[in-house]
Order: sequence, then structure tokens, then C-alpha cells
Amino acid sequence: SAVISQKPSRDICQRGTSLTIQCQVDSQVTMMFWYRQQPGQSLTLIATANQGSEATYESGFVIDKFPISRPNLTFSTLTVSNMSPEDSSIYLCSVGIQGSGYTFGSGTRLTVV
Amino acid sequence: GQNIDQPTEMTATEGAIVQINCTYQTSGFNGLFWYQQHAGEAPTFLSYNVLDGLEEKGRFSSFLSRSKGYSYLLLKELQMKDSASYLCAVDQTGANNLFFGTGTRLTVIP
Repeated sequence: SAVISQKPSRDICQRGTSLTIQCQVDSQVTMMFWYRQQPGQSLTLIATANQGSEATYESGFVIDKFPISRPNLTFSTLTVSNMSPEDSSIYLCSVGIQGSGYTFGSGTRLTVV
Repeated sequence: GQNIDQPTEMTATEGAIVQINCTYQTSGFNGLFWYQQHAGEAPTFLSYNVLDGLEEKGRFSSFLSRSKGYSYLLLKELQMKDSASYLCAVDQTGANNLFFGTGTRLTVIP
């Protein structure tokens, strides 16, 4: 399965600022996703990061708040913009590989103060 | 609508067997995954079922009934390190991503 490097692993940010999270995969993958996991809850899909086109956002998530880049098949970034305490969560990138299932990065624990 | 139901919490004794159930209603079905997630860590893959029946992998087994929209994860010979959240997730046809249940927090006691 693919190996995913996600960083930063954690950060404490001031409200109103933005944080960019990076996800690097050790092989080319078509499917790359960003999830949010709020405290004590399960994973919610934010968007699918598409290479060469705009990301596909799920209901309740918008590009202005969570801009995503996918410049190639091994890398993606998620930015959490204009943060508020409600954005405090774990953010996870994930890749899907046909026949191998889905693998997750180690996650970014974000605290907004 | 789409929904995946799991019990919120379960407690079991070290050395025992525990079954974690998952029922689902989703728009399309391409397979069902079980993940284990320890506190503060990312989910790790446990099992994948796409056909009806039981898949056994060491101490862990997973069962699927597509007609009933039902799966369970069976953990045998429980160890303290099995204390974690167990997430049921459906791979939806055409979506190419996972729809997660709320997760079951399992506590193993001595």
C-alpha cells in the first residue's frame, strides 16, 4: 500500500489566520481525499482532490474556506482559511488505490485559539 | 438517505470475544471496510468485504450480508491493546471515496 507523509502533525493557530496542510504520497495515485474528524466523532469527507482540475467538495464545505491544490499525482495541500475555534479538528488525507483500498495519512491535529 | 449505524461504545473483557455490528443504507455499494483507530492516531485498515460471507484474518474476522445491509467485526482473544475506535465505512459506487459510520469505541478491561 501507499505510504503517506502528512505535515504538520499538529499546530495551534490564532483565529482569523490560515493553515496549509501538505500530503505527499510515495507513488502516483489517482484518488486523493481530505477528511475532517472533529473531537470524538468519525470521519467526514471534505473534498476529493482532482489533479488538473478543481476539487470536488461535499455538502457543507466550500472552496473559499477549504481551498485545495493538487499539482501532480503525488501531492496535495488543504488550506483551512480564516480559522475559528470550530475548525479545531484532525484533518486527514487519504488515497485510494484500485485493489488495495484506502490508506490514511497520520493526520494534522489543529487547535484554533 | 445515506446512513451507517454502529453502537457508540462497547466494553469487553480481556481474552473474550466481541462483535461490533454495522448496518448501512447508502446510495450504491462497492464494498465495506473496517478500520481501527487508536486515540490520536490515523485509522488503519483491518478488513474489506465485497461479497457476502466471512473474511477471517488472525484474531479479526468480518462478515457481510449485502441483502440485509449488515456487517460485523469479530474480535477474538481480546487484548488490552485492542481498546480503540472501530470504524465501519462503505465504498459507494461511483463515488470513489468512503462514507464512514460514527465509529464504535471499544474498551477492553482486565
